[in-house]
Amino acid sequence: DGGITQSPKYLFRKEGQNVTLSCEQNLNHDAMYWYRQDPGQGLRLIYYSQIVNDFQKGDIAEGYSVSREKKESFPLTVTSAQKNPTAFYLCASSMPLGQAVNTEAFFGQGTRLTVV
Amino acid sequence: GENVEQHPSTLSVQEGDSAVIKCTYSDSASNYFPWYKQELGKRPQLIIDIRSNVGEKKDQRIAVTLNKTAKHFSLHITETQPEDSAVYFCAASEWGFGNEKLTFGTGTRLTIIP
Repeated sequence: DGGITQSPKYLFRKEGQNVTLSCEQNLNHDAMYWYRQDPGQGLRLIYYSQIVNDFQKGDIAEGYSVSREKKESFPLTVTSAQKNPTAFYLCASSMPLGQAVNTEAFFGQGTRLTVV
Repeated sequence: GENVEQHPSTLSVQEGDSAVIKCTYSDSASNYFPWYKQELGKRPQLIIDIRSNVGEKKDQRIAVTLNKTAKHFSLHITETQPEDSAVYFCAASEWGFGNEKLTFGTGTRLTIIP
């Protein structure tokens, strides 16, 4: 069954702790993205990666880090430097590089992170 | 960078009536404009998209129009049904040049009144 999987669905952490959110896809997509969703603010881009071993900051990268060691995986670490980490996090993936036809971005089910 | 504004933030329409959601973008280089629907507790899913070389695209009850000069695009849903109730997001991107990333609007919560 092809798709993009995020885990876990719910995550609780104490303030000051780093936490890593998992995102795996088996769609053979080159590009992967991390978005943060807050009420009334839409989807804001945290980091994105167009190819393995390369990634770029999005609009709200401060306090987050990522890695892209494998094409299938794009984990997001929420560090203690992120001032307001409680949010809903969505991972997405899209077309192979250079393919102009199929541009749809597929989203995972999301991880709701609560920091107490 | 790109900035996308979306209006209205909430919209209620009677079942069977039409709904229109509008978005404006800032970057004239943007050439790809998708619309995503997010039902309660679910992931966003693409419902329709349009490229800058086309002015309008239709898919059954859903249509999107694009005005490149004014830098705005709109989603039109006709003959609305209860299952159309959801949050809708517009997005813009400069696609095809190796730096593809979607910038989203803030969303519109559409409620269909039976």
